[in-house]
Amino acid sequence: RKEVEQDPGPFNVPEGATVAFNCTYSNSASQSFFWYRQDCRKEPKLLMSVYSSGNEDGRFTAQLNRASQYISLLIRDSKLSDSATYLCAVFSGYSSASKIIFGSGTRLSIRP
Amino acid sequence: NAGVTQTPKFRVLKTGQSMTLLCAQDMNHEYMYWYRQDPGMGLRLIHYSVGEGTTAKGEVPDGYNVSRLKKQNFLLGLESAAPSQTSVYFCASSYSSTGDGPQHFGDGTRLSIL
Repeated sequence: RKEVEQDPGPFNVPEGATVAFNCTYSNSASQSFFWYRQDCRKEPKLLMSVYSSGNEDGRFTAQLNRASQYISLLIRDSKLSDSATYLCAVFSGYSSASKIIFGSGTRLSIRP
Repeated sequence: NAGVTQTPKFRVLKTGQSMTLLCAQDMNHEYMYWYRQDPGMGLRLIHYSVGEGTTAKGEVPDGYNVSRLKKQNFLLGLESAAPSQTSVYFCASSYSSTGDGPQHFGDGTRLSIL
């Protein structure tokens, strides 16, 4: 089992729809969680950090479920410009073995 | 403020050639990373550095070497390039002193090995 897993998609949804996807992680001791957005042939860019209490930034909401070991990203009122690949990242450990692991990404396509 | 800058942007090498990729950051970040990204594989960590003068192996370090002689620069070297090293390489840095913070990425180096 991969340490961090995402459904590769693609998720193909109409403009204005709400879409959500999850990212599961295997290390129960993971401490920090992030969502990144990556456009085609571009670098990943931080979308938002994920806090234990959940957090919202405009149309985007991120949540953490420690019991089931996943984080989620919800996009409301989707725009054509939201089309991209969304990567989750999970940090585990504060030792020589500490590391951040990226998921392979979920591809989202918004259609007019 | 340039952030994280990678050079070169593109390069084509022949098998067996060597080259160095340069990553420079102007944010005074402690942590720096080198990743490769291949279709369907996501980002895989090659090497990283927790500060000037230190380096450590990541998930896929074989065939690569790194150096961090100055805090702002992190160099990735390929001593003898192989076709399997054809990839997009991303450098990243993080302000966190413990490695648990978000990362800022450069815009990548597209490397082809013939």
